Amino acid sequence: GAVVSQHPSRVICKSGTSVKIECRSLDFQATTMFWYRQFPKQSLMLMATSNEGSKATYEQGVEKDKFLINHASLTLSTLTVTSAHPEDSSFYICSARDRQMKDGYTFGSGTRLTVV
Amino acid sequence: KQEVTQIPAALSVPEGENLVLNCSFTDSAIYNLQWFRQDPGKGLTSLLLIQSSQREQTSGRLNASLDKSSGRSTLYIAASQPGDSATYLCATTYTGNQFYFGTGTSLTVIP
Repeated sequence: GAVVSQHPSRVICKSGTSVKIECRSLDFQATTMFWYRQFPKQSLMLMATSNEGSKATYEQGVEKDKFLINHASLTLSTLTVTSAHPEDSSFYICSARDRQMKDGYTFGSGTRLTVV
Repeated sequence: KQEVTQIPAALSVPEGENLVLNCSFTDSAIYNLQWFRQDPGKGLTSLLLIQSSQREQTSGRLNASLDKSSGRSTLYIAASQPGDSATYLCATTYTGNQFYFGTGTSLTVIP
């Protein structure tokens, strides 16, 4: 089945630094990838939709200059949290759509980000 | 905006019991509804996907139903096992793209 590899699974960083999270589709091409985050005790919320070769579409309230998304190829999308602060600590997870499969969405294993 | 609610938020049952998890959504014009399992600190595992035209889907001990007109779905787990302990999420989509997730039901099955 379709597999999405997400790295790193856990990261701890200092305030003010930047963190890059990678989401890679291993055995299929993903024209569209989605980035979600989940705060404790809350549901997963869509942050942005990234399309290969074009700019990402951000949901209302998500700062595009803070959460940089790059989808340079059909198999890789990256989310960079710039100048991270403790309130950015969250669980980030990506989802990719397999163009060959109807309704075929696969989720990565997620990244637990802790900013200290 | 679609709002998805799951009840109960947490559930603890002894092993072997049958149980029902509930999901309700405000906008019935969905494309499909999906149930996921999330283990602590892990990603999501898709359990069952119900298209808007379907009433239910079954996989092993799991059965999911969908009543689109009333905005409800249930996930039935038969003969629960300790390995079923996880958080269960339901999510709807409109055009098959963005998921709207519920807050989940945290299930603990006691041996």
